[in-house]
Amino acid sequence: EVQLVESGGGPVKPGGSLRLSCEASGFTLSSYNMHWVRQAPGKGLEWVSSSTIMSSYFYYAASVTGRFAVSRDNAKNSLYLYMNNLGIEDTGVYYCARDCGGACRNYWNFDVWGRGTLVTVSS
Amino acid sequence: DIQMTQSPSSVSASVGDTVTIACRASQGIGPWLAWYQQKPGTAPKLLIYAASNLHNGVPLRFSGSGSGTDFTLTISGVQPEDSGTYYCQQANSFPRFGQGTRVEVK
Repeated sequence: EVQLVESGGGPVKPGGSLRLSCEASGFTLSSYNMHWVRQAPGKGLEWVSSSTIMSSYFYYAASVTGRFAVSRDNAKNSLYLYMNNLGIEDTGVYYCARDCGGACRNYWNFDVWGRGTLVTVSS
Repeated sequence: DIQMTQSPSSVSASVGDTVTIACRASQGIGPWLAWYQQKPGTAPKLLIYAASNLHNGVPLRFSGSGSGTDFTLTISGVQPEDSGTYYCQQANSFPRFGQGTRVEVK
């Protein structure tokens, strides 16, 4: 079964750091572009970051540029999101998502999602 | 940045009704638009990609249309399990989601 499982969320104080992990199973993560999408409580979806195949390129939303970093460990079939200098506005559920790729005629379509991990930034 | 605007923000429908949700992009994105369904406490699910292509396993009562700046998601013969929030997302460049449309099926 194709699956993504996030971990690493939890409470953190403003200015703190966290590392989120996303472990893939049922497919080879290195063959896909991968993404992080977040959702603040009661709000809509916001794209956060992307890692292309072979880690050739990394992309970030303006709201996290300079504070977040994405990486992947293909040997562990895992994706990571390093989050620094966290603010209250970073609170939310963070989803890891797989890019559908050519099967969806174009990139930037997310066909497999994890269940998410909750990050709570509060003093 | 491309902005995505959905309407309406919420809709209430009876079983069997046809529900239509609109999504407008602030600039042309060709056919590169996706639709997702999200139920409370769960992750979004991809319904439609490239404006009108049904993702694997999605019921045929869902359909999408449009190109450029104006897009539509239609649910023909809505069912109780279709209740949830629907998001459009531009897939032409860095992703941007609409604000969501809550669908309630009575």
